[in-house]
Amino acid sequence: ETGVTQTPRHLVMGMTNKKSLKCEQHLGHNAMYWYKQSAKKPLELMFVYNFKEQTENNSVPSRFSPECPNSSHLFLHLHTLQPEDSALYLCASSHRLGQGDSLYEQYFGPGTRLTVT
Amino acid sequence: GDSVTQMEGPVTLSEEAFLTINCTYTATGYPSLFWYVQYPGEGLQLLLKATKADDKGSNKGFEATYRKETTSFHLEKGSVQVSDSAVYFCALIIIQGAQKLVFGQGTRLTINP
Repeated sequence: ETGVTQTPRHLVMGMTNKKSLKCEQHLGHNAMYWYKQSAKKPLELMFVYNFKEQTENNSVPSRFSPECPNSSHLFLHLHTLQPEDSALYLCASSHRLGQGDSLYEQYFGPGTRLTVT
Repeated sequence: GDSVTQMEGPVTLSEEAFLTINCTYTATGYPSLFWYVQYPGEGLQLLLKATKADDKGSNKGFEATYRKETTSFHLEKGSVQVSDSAVYFCALIIIQGAQKLVFGQGTRLTINP
């Protein structure tokens, strides 16, 4: 059990649809992350939240909108996506900087496989 | 900028063969180094880590030594199993600053019985 869950596991959406990805962590962590994993490309960090505050936006297009209502939940709202946005979207969580030896270890969820048609 | 370079895949081996997956890095600070593994249909799992030079991380028969002089963190296993088939990612994190994981491109490993 990874302690990080993501729903849905698979999503097919049209370019005009609006959908949301959900991530939940049960590990007591304070930081949460969204990554994009495309074929033949390294994992790309998209957003970082630390204590519900967004601390990193890695030049992500505005058609991706993150939301972090509390330290346990993270959402990624999607609208007017493009076919090149099809990818595996991974959520991760970790302790925040400064809390001890295992603080830099990020725990990943299983991902949402997104297909944009 | 900080970066990680892994050997090109895919890598195909027979069961019980010796495995090496090369990983080198460039970093402006003093990184911690990680190997993550992704089994089919799953997210990434931390396999092992090393936080300072000459540290050796180990787990499930896999080992990697943090070599500052060669800026490397090669993954090794003496005798692989079919169940080791997965994608392996080398990664670094800079402790000072934004605490961002920087990943290599991943190496797909297939073990044949």
